[in-house]
Parts: sequence; C-alpha cells; structure tokens
Amino acid sequence: AQKITQTQPGMFVQEKEAVTLDCTYDTSDQSYGLFWYKQPSSGEMIFLIYQGSYDEQNATEGRYSLNFQKARKSANLVISASQLGDSAMYFCAMREANSGNTPLVFGKGTRLSVIA
Amino acid sequence: GAVVSQHPSRVICKSGTSVKIECRSLDFQATTMFWYRQFPKKSLMLMATSNEGSKATYEQGVEKDKFLINHASLTLSTLTVTSAHPEDSSFYICSARDTAVDNSPLHFGNGTRLTVT
Repeated sequence: AQKITQTQPGMFVQEKEAVTLDCTYDTSDQSYGLFWYKQPSSGEMIFLIYQGSYDEQNATEGRYSLNFQKARKSANLVISASQLGDSAMYFCAMREANSGNTPLVFGKGTRLSVIA
Repeated sequence: GAVVSQHPSRVICKSGTSVKIECRSLDFQATTMFWYRQFPKKSLMLMATSNEGSKATYEQGVEKDKFLINHASLTLSTLTVTSAHPEDSSFYICSARDTAVDNSPLHFGNGTRLTVT
C-alpha cells in the first residue's frame, strides 16, 4: 500500500494566488514526521517545511504552510502568493518512527506550474 | 545550514564500466546516509541505507553486488555502479541527516545524472 499519496500529478496557479498541494499518508506509528520538498528542473531537492506528528500547531515557513489534519492523515502544502520561481515538482514525504536512521518515503509528486 | 555535496553531477560512461559517486556531509557528521534513485518524471526510490563502519542495508530488488556502497567515514559515503548497463542510466541522489539537530530533515546532494551508452 502507498504510504504517501499525492493525487494531483499537475497543478496550475496564477501568479500571486495561493495553491494547495494535497498529500495523504498511511502509517500505524504514533511518532512520525512529514516533510515537503521542492525539486526544480535542475534536480536538487530543497527542503520546505516539516510537521511532527505530535505538533499541535500547523507548521509555517514564510509563504509555505502545512495544513495538518491528523485524523484524516493529510498534510497538505499551501503556498501563498505564488511566484514564477515556484514552478517545480513538489514531493510530500514521511519518516516513520521519526528517528535519525529512518529514511524518508516519498509520494509521486505534483508538478506545479505558475502562470504569469 | 547543513550541506551535502555530491560528485560528480553528471557522468557518461560506456556499458561495462564502473562509476563511483561520492556523497559528503560538509558541516556535520552522518553515521547514516541514504541513496535514492529517480527515473525521469518519477519519484525518489530508496535504494539503500549506508551505515558508517558497517554494511549497507539494501531495499528489496536492489542488487547489492551491482550497487556497492562504502561508508568509510562519518562524512563520506560512496556508491559504485559496477558493470554499468544502459538500464542503470538514472538520477542518483544521496542524503543525510544532522542527527545533532532535533527533527532535522534529510539534506540532499545535488544528484548525479548517470548515462550509460
């Protein structure tokens, strides 16, 4: 079974508008971490935001916020005031057991295109 | 912030040759590093977990004799693709976590694009 599901292969958003990228996850662990990464066409993986399973407040980092709904097992990324430079692949990922030696499992990604 | 350096960024080799990819954590120590593989327009798939001073742990379906991993120090892991074939052409990317920082994310190298002709 998929541990991370991103149902939107591609999304378009107008510049300066907000956009939500969906992510649902599946785990039986109580302690886990959720991450979002951005991958531009150059290939590098850029860390955006982190949400711990025990964090009660939604994580925010500048224009990025994570809409964490634990009961629904969803961790959607919200990008506010989209910029042309936001066009990239976005991956949701999970680390179960949330320990240092546990790898990240990635979703299939969502390609975001920002339109001028 | 934590930086992971990966080298080379691109390599083209002939079928049957071996290619070594280096992954270094520049400003932190990493007892564990992770190697991922990414096909075009696909997600990152974990290949193996590299453990300093011990054998790597390979994911199901990854040939350990094909993809040799050596984690000789706390800042360096290498992936050697042995007897490369065209189907090994892919984007390989390493990552590591600064375990001295709580809830630290994985930091990724810039990846290596391997083309086997």
